[in-house]
Amino acid sequence: IVLTQSPGTLSLSPGERATLSCRASQTIRSNYLAWYQKKPGQAPRLLIYGTSSRATGIPDRFSGSGSGTDFTLTISRVEPEDFAIFYCQQYGSSPPYTFGQGTRLE
Amino acid sequence: QFQLVESGGGVVQPGRSLRLSCAASGFTFSRYAMHWVRQAPGKGLEWVALIWYDGSKRYYADSVKGRFTISRDNYKNTLYLEMNNLRDEDTAVYYCATIGDSNFYCDHWGQGTPVTVSS
Repeated sequence: IVLTQSPGTLSLSPGERATLSCRASQTIRSNYLAWYQKKPGQAPRLLIYGTSSRATGIPDRFSGSGSGTDFTLTISRVEPEDFAIFYCQQYGSSPPYTFGQGTRLE
Repeated sequence: QFQLVESGGGVVQPGRSLRLSCAASGFTFSRYAMHWVRQAPGKGLEWVALIWYDGSKRYYADSVKGRFTISRDNYKNTLYLEMNNLRDEDTAVYYCATIGDSNFYCDHWGQGTPVTVSS
């Protein structure tokens, strides 16, 4: 399954709403889609799993939605610490558990 | 709390081998399947391999199949990645990660170990 993320770069100011898209080349079984945040020099951080479930400790300004082949990560009000690269990953079928190419939030 | 510490990275010539380790602590390692994920310089995340909690099943990305071997020692609480016939394009930071409680997403991550393949 190929995941295509858009836009490549999203330029926003703190306080604005961010909408990131992840489109799959085929239906993701059981909506097994996760989102991660990656900052330079740090390990990736799980934000969302199962399309819409927030990982432990993730603020509620992060939310996920979608089904089938189209998925969205929304940050309701971007905070200064949110600027990073975001990746989606599918794990709905047998491996490989592919990642999207990423969206940079700047 | 979950702690994962990778080691074994370094500089290696093309065609040579390297073994990465991931030491786990703070959780019951033998209950979790484990991933390796990598990130090449300036590139995105790439899933590399997965091993079942008991080592009974292993899966690989096409880019490493036949060259890399994932394994684990549940008595030593350690995950391994044996990398053979290394290529320039294997240069990356390699991360180990646990699966989640409910499925195969990557939940807890180590800080990564860098591998540079260069002559």
